[in-house]
Amino acid sequence: RKEVEQDPGPFNVPEGATVAFNCTYSNSASQSFFWYRQDCRKEPKLLMSVYSSGNEDGRFTAQLNRASQYISLLIRDSKLSDSATYLCVVGSGTYKYIFGTGTRLKVLA
Amino acid sequence: NAGVTQTPKFQVLKTGQSMTLQCAQDMNHEYMSWYRQDPGMGLRLIHYSVGAGITDQGEVPNGYNVSRSTTEDFPLRLLSAAPSQTSVYFCASKQNQGSEQYFGPGTRLTVT
Repeated sequence: RKEVEQDPGPFNVPEGATVAFNCTYSNSASQSFFWYRQDCRKEPKLLMSVYSSGNEDGRFTAQLNRASQYISLLIRDSKLSDSATYLCVVGSGTYKYIFGTGTRLKVLA
Repeated sequence: NAGVTQTPKFQVLKTGQSMTLQCAQDMNHEYMSWYRQDPGMGLRLIHYSVGAGITDQGEVPNGYNVSRSTTEDFPLRLLSAAPSQTSVYFCASKQNQGSEQYFGPGTRLTVT
């Protein structure tokens, strides 16, 4: 089992739709959780950190479920500009972060 | 404030050649890392550093060397390039153990 797993997609959704991605992790001692966005042939950029209580940033909501060992990302009112690959990142309290392989999102006009 | 910079952006090498990928950050971050990204495999850690003079191996260190003589710079050396090292290389830095990482724009390397 991979340490961090994501559905590769692609998720094809119409503009204005709500879409959700999950990411599961295997190390129960994990302490840091992030969602990054990566556009084609570009570097990953932080979308949001994920906190135990959940957090929201505009149209984006991130949740952490420690009992089931997954994090989620919800995007409301999808825009064409949201089309990208979303990377789940998990840290175990050391220097080391584990990256998921990413979920591709395509928002269609 | 340039963040994390990498040079070159593109490089083509022949098998057996050596080269150094440059990485610099101006955020005074202690932690710096090198990753490679290959299709379907996610980012994999090559080497990392927790401060000047301190480096260690990551998940896929073979064929690469690093050094950290200053806080700002963290070069990655390919000793004898192989086609299996064809990849996109990202350098990243972060302030401390649990904080977010900032990535450089990447170097696309092709080894023929």
